[in-house]
Amino acid sequence: EVQLVESGGTSVQPGGSLRLSCAASGFIFSDYYMSWVRRAPGKGLEWVANINQDGGARFYVDSVTGRFSVSRDNAKNSLYLQMNSLRVEDTAVYYCARWDGRFFWGQGTLVTVSS
Amino acid sequence: DIQMTQSPSTLSASVGDSVTITCRASQSFSSWLAWYQEKPGKAPKALIYKASSLESGVPSRFSGSGSGTEFTLTISSLQPDDFATYFCQQSDSYPWTFGQGTRVEIK
Repeated sequence: EVQLVESGGTSVQPGGSLRLSCAASGFIFSDYYMSWVRRAPGKGLEWVANINQDGGARFYVDSVTGRFSVSRDNAKNSLYLQMNSLRVEDTAVYYCARWDGRFFWGQGTLVTVSS
Repeated sequence: DIQMTQSPSTLSASVGDSVTITCRASQSFSSWLAWYQEKPGKAPKALIYKASSLESGVPSRFSGSGSGTEFTLTISSLQPDDFATYFCQQSDSYPWTFGQGTRVEIK
C-alpha cells in the first residue's frame, strides 16, 4: 500500500526555521518526482516545491524561493522541506505528494507561524 | 502564472443527477490537468489525470474532458459517496496551480 507520512509540523515564531519530513513506503521512491503542497487556513491549495527523482532539479513557488529548500534521501525513502525565515503567511497544512501526472497525497502536517 | 478558475463554487444536486464542474485556465495548455476529490479529514484523492484519463479504482461515472482553456469533470450519476469537494490542478507550467474548489452538496 502506498503511504506518505509527514512529520515535523509545529508552532514556530516568525523568522524561525523548521524541517518537515515525509516517509514514503509501498512504492519505489526513487522512481518518482515528489512535491510539497500547502493549504493555509480558509484558503485554497498552493503548490510549494518539486524535486525530481535524483534531486538534481528543484522548483519552487516564488513566495518561498530563497527561504525553503526541498531535498530527498532515496536510500531512506524520505522527502524533506527545510523552511527558513518563516512568515505568518506560511501557516498552513503541508502535504507531501508523489507526482506522476497527478498527486498522491499524504495526510499533511500543520505548521503554525505565530508570535 | 496560469490561473485556474473553477465553477460553480457550490453545486446542489440529488442522487442520480449528472453534474459538471468546469475549470477555465487563464492561458491555453494541452492536457496536464488533474481532478481531485476531497472529503473532510482525509487526503485529497486523484480522480482524473491528463485531462481525461481515469485513475485506477475510480468509478467510471467520473469522466474528464477538455483542452486549451476549458476543462470539465462530469459525474454521470451522483452517488451518496460523491458529496465532497472537487478541485482541478494544472501541471503544464510552473508554478503549478489549483482551482479554488467546487463543493457538491445534497439538494
